[in-house]
Amino acid sequence: GAGVSQTPSNKVTEKGKYVELRCDPISGHTALYWYRQSLGQGPEFLIYFQGTGAADDSGLPNDRFFAVRPEGSVSTLKIQRTERGDSAVYLCASSLAERGETQYFGPGTRLLVL
Amino acid sequence: AQKITQTQPGMFVQEKEAVTLDCTYDTSDPSYGLFWYKQPSSGEMIFLIYQGSYDQQNATEGRYSLNFQKARKSANLVISASQLGDSAMYFCAMREGGYNTDKLIFGTGTRLQVFP
Repeated sequence: GAGVSQTPSNKVTEKGKYVELRCDPISGHTALYWYRQSLGQGPEFLIYFQGTGAADDSGLPNDRFFAVRPEGSVSTLKIQRTERGDSAVYLCASSLAERGETQYFGPGTRLLVL
Repeated sequence: AQKITQTQPGMFVQEKEAVTLDCTYDTSDPSYGLFWYKQPSSGEMIFLIYQGSYDQQNATEGRYSLNFQKARKSANLVISASQLGDSAMYFCAMREGGYNTDKLIFGTGTRLQVFP
């Protein structure tokens, strides 16, 4: 079956602009996660959804970052007033309903803020 | 404090040989899970193997096995019969217990290069 998909694959924007990154989880997966991976580092957790609600948003770095999942499937990560330090690969993952299930990752969106 | 430590930034191995990638972790939670992911140059994180803290036996998945030493808090990945396609970054990750979260904490990774 289809894996996790993310769009766009690459995004170049200017400092101060607003961006939206989209994630389509594996069909039937109710849990969805966003991570951010800076160059040379492992992924860092941003936010975790169980269904439509954000169960844990402790990883969001500041209030410029926001994520939604209105129908419990597709999720959008929104970044306002982008800064050069936001440049990274944003990874989305999904898993089955139960906690502790394996998280399956998408290919990521490479964000470059000029 | 680092929760996941991968001390080998890079490793080389000859094709068909076995290689061990090190991972140590730090947690006071009795319930946790340990994962290994492979990240080729394409960027996608590929799940390889999982070990639960209460599992009695070491996990195995094909050519991958996890050498789980609970007292030492280590969860090393062993890749047997290396192939050229195994060249990639490898990340160790931990999921801690806790009712309201299911996040993974990753190490900094090890770059494995397999040569003919």
